[in-house]
Amino acid sequence: EDQVTQSPEALRLQEGESSSLNCSYTVSGLRGLFWYRQDPGKGPEFLFTLYSAGEEKEKERLKATLTKKESFLHITAPKPEDSATYLCAARGQAGTALIFGKGTTLSVSS
Amino acid sequence: DSGVTQTPKHLITATGQRVTLRCSPRSGDLSVYWYQQSLDQGLQFLIQYYNGEERAKGNILERFSAQQFPDLHSELNLSSLELGDSALYFCASSGDSSEAFFGQGTRLTVV
Repeated sequence: EDQVTQSPEALRLQEGESSSLNCSYTVSGLRGLFWYRQDPGKGPEFLFTLYSAGEEKEKERLKATLTKKESFLHITAPKPEDSATYLCAARGQAGTALIFGKGTTLSVSS
Repeated sequence: DSGVTQTPKHLITATGQRVTLRCSPRSGDLSVYWYQQSLDQGLQFLIQYYNGEERAKGNILERFSAQQFPDLHSELNLSSLELGDSALYFCASSGDSSEAFFGQGTRLTVV
């Protein structure tokens, strides 16, 4: 069964303290690994798509990387406005829907 | 703004009732997905439509049904509502690229 697991569930950082969020996936024939940001009560906002191991994408203080079994979302020098829940999702060959992990809730304090 | 529109934003209804949630996808997107998000379960895939046809089913209850119309908007019908159906319901759409873009959701409260 296709599965996506994120860790940690929650992460508290001081402003400027860099860290990484982990997403482990078990998906047959990966057709994309996706990162989203979700603010409370809002819809998930698309951040990145990664397709193959070794691929990296960057946007402001965020960088996403992909290996054959994991993806990491690196946050460099975070600011309080980066506080949100970060969701990882995968699309496998068997179906077309995105399978989501439960997310990592990031809190950045000044 | 993702371009995906969901109505209504909030819905409060009683147990046993039936409600309809509406979704307008991004212009040109043929695929529409419905997801349910509750505090303990995360985002759960319910059903997908592609150009009017059902494409994939997830953990959708028999009390729930959906359809996609010729103008590509979609409706999710929830019937015989129970307290446990209270959740955020999201619609997402995608086109030729594989990314899915989400609406702002409908918060359903069953009392």
